[in-house]
Amino acid sequence: QVQLVQSGAEVREPGASVKVSCKASGYTFSSYGITWVRQAPGQGLEWMGWISAYKGNTSYAQKFQGRVTMTTDKSTTTAYMELRSLRSDDTAVYYCAKVVVTAPSQYYYMDVWGKGTTVTVSS
Amino acid sequence: DIQMTQSPSSLSASVGGRVTITCRASQSISNYLNWYQQKPGTAPKLLMYAGSSLQSGVPSRFSGSGSGTDFTLTISSLQPEDFATYYCQQGYSDPRTFGQGTKLEIK
Repeated sequence: QVQLVQSGAEVREPGASVKVSCKASGYTFSSYGITWVRQAPGQGLEWMGWISAYKGNTSYAQKFQGRVTMTTDKSTTTAYMELRSLRSDDTAVYYCAKVVVTAPSQYYYMDVWGKGTTVTVSS
Repeated sequence: DIQMTQSPSSLSASVGGRVTITCRASQSISNYLNWYQQKPGTAPKLLMYAGSSLQSGVPSRFSGSGSGTDFTLTISSLQPEDFATYYCQQGYSDPRTFGQGTKLEIK
């Protein structure tokens, strides 16, 4: 079945970087995108950006521009999200999700989600 | 960026009841609107896309409507498993912003 398996919880000090992985299976990886969404404790969902697994094109929310890099490895059907210069307010659960963009209407939605990776930033 | 505003932020209802959640976009997004359900400690789940298209496997008691800037999610005949937090998301343009969420609790 279609699933996304994320890497385990991480603890980092302020100023460090973290790289979260998302292993996809059960579908043609290069035919869909991957988006990253985070959720701070007790807060709502925040869209960080997405990557087209086919061409590797990325789009990041302005808030994360310069601090985030999203990549994919088609050989291992794995997506990665690296966040640098971590601050305490980056403490959150980070989700990857499979993006569907329909043709020709270009409806964009996330139909399969990983279970989330908890990133804690603390000194 | 397109701002998405949901109302109410929380509501309580009874099993068997009917609720409507509203989502408003800061500019027209046609029907590029998605709805997700999230239960505590779990990942969000897609309910609806393109405003009113039910995702496979989602019960028909969930329905969506709207176009332009105003959208609604209606749940008829509430079941115990429906008590959760609901988020709208615009799929019109990057960044694909979410509403702040509506928490549905049991009365």
